[in-house]
Amino acid sequence: ILNVEQSPQSLHVQEGDSTNFTCSFPSSNFYALHWYRWETAKSPEALFVMTLNGDEKKKGRISATLNTKEGYSYLYIKGSQPEDSATYLCAFRAGNQFYFGTGTSLTVIP
Amino acid sequence: DTAVSQTPKYLVTQMGNDKSIKCEQNLGHDTMYWYKQDSKKFLKIMFSYNNKELIINETVPNRFSPKSPDKAHLNLHINSLELGDSAVYFCASGRVSSYNSPLHFGNGTRLTVT
Repeated sequence: ILNVEQSPQSLHVQEGDSTNFTCSFPSSNFYALHWYRWETAKSPEALFVMTLNGDEKKKGRISATLNTKEGYSYLYIKGSQPEDSATYLCAFRAGNQFYFGTGTSLTVIP
Repeated sequence: DTAVSQTPKYLVTQMGNDKSIKCEQNLGHDTMYWYKQDSKKFLKIMFSYNNKELIINETVPNRFSPKSPDKAHLNLHINSLELGDSAVYFCASGRVSSYNSPLHFGNGTRLTVT
């Protein structure tokens, strides 16, 4: 089992604030880094899949960056909205195995 | 059509029983997975399976066994259920031949052992 860490564990922000989370992963045997959004009582849904060092992905107000050499990825949310409230998971792919972090729980306060 | 479907959604059973959770994917993916969500919402890999290999997390008790009748199905069979097996179990599938392919999850099965 590989160690994938996310910080912070939880976060409360006001509506309209921008925020970011960190995912740390091993810098060896890297295949891909995934970000998922997991709402309560639902299943995780993919946000981004990043494979190359320096990758930057964007979907609306959410974006992510990747540094495979130092083993970290950032997820950014610009102008947070209440509907952004969820747990955000990263997953490190090594071979055909996916190892998940413990997630960052985001609550956006109206 | 649901891409990854698990049944049942809820399963309540007594200690010592044997039970199965079914998972089916209609995405044509080549690999399927079972994850266990612990009390802290952490997704822990249990098994991954494609038509070439089964990879078992060595920490999973041998009371748990995956059964795959074909590429679209990966069922989870649990023998002699224990209280500590109570958790939410998620099935997922992916196309591992593509590095850009994300995992697709089922809606989870909440298992309660009494």
